[in-house]
Amino acid sequence: AQSVAQPEDQVNVAEGNPLTVKCTYSVSGNPYLFWYVQYPNRGLQFLLKYITGDNLVKGSYGFEAEFNKSQTSFHLKKPSALVSDSALYFCAVRVQNTGGFKTIFGAGTRLFVKA
Amino acid sequence: GAGVSQSPSNKVTEKGKDVELRCDPISGHTALYWYRQRLGQGLEFLIYFQGNSAPDKSGLPSDRFSAERTGESVSTLTIQRTQQEDSAVYLCASSPRLAGSTDTQYFGPGTRLTVL
Repeated sequence: AQSVAQPEDQVNVAEGNPLTVKCTYSVSGNPYLFWYVQYPNRGLQFLLKYITGDNLVKGSYGFEAEFNKSQTSFHLKKPSALVSDSALYFCAVRVQNTGGFKTIFGAGTRLFVKA
Repeated sequence: GAGVSQSPSNKVTEKGKDVELRCDPISGHTALYWYRQRLGQGLEFLIYFQGNSAPDKSGLPSDRFSAERTGESVSTLTIQRTQQEDSAVYLCASSPRLAGSTDTQYFGPGTRLTVL
């Protein structure tokens, strides 16, 4: 079955330290992978995506994600975390379905950055 | 340009009543998704409209839930005989479905439904 998994419900990191939010996937064919972020009391917004090309994708707010085909992973990273990065992060993958394709989301990982 | 809009922003209803939630997608976006998000939880896929194809209803939790979309415009999500477990934020997202589109989704602000 095609799926996406975020193995950590919560990630805690100190401000200034690097952060990683994990995501693994299972799809048939080449994956289209996404990260979305939901800040407190705000809507969900697109952060970055991998379609093809360079395995390291750069997105908004200094975030980046590394596509690893052999490990079927797409971990979100940032070299130096900010308190304002505290939010709920969702990994998503585009999968084939009848009539075309659709996007499925992981369960989300809550990131807490402490000052 | 205008983003995805949803109405109402908040809805409080009594158990057993029917509710209708509305989503106005970004103009020209042919794909439209409905999700449910319970407090502090992840996104639960409900239904997906893709142009004129039959909608993907695989995420609807019961026959009390239904959704319609007229062409590539407004969609309404209807919950009949609401239960307290239906309390959640209902999110709508739209996506352009041009040739080669990656299906990046643009989310509305959501409707917070509270069933008393």
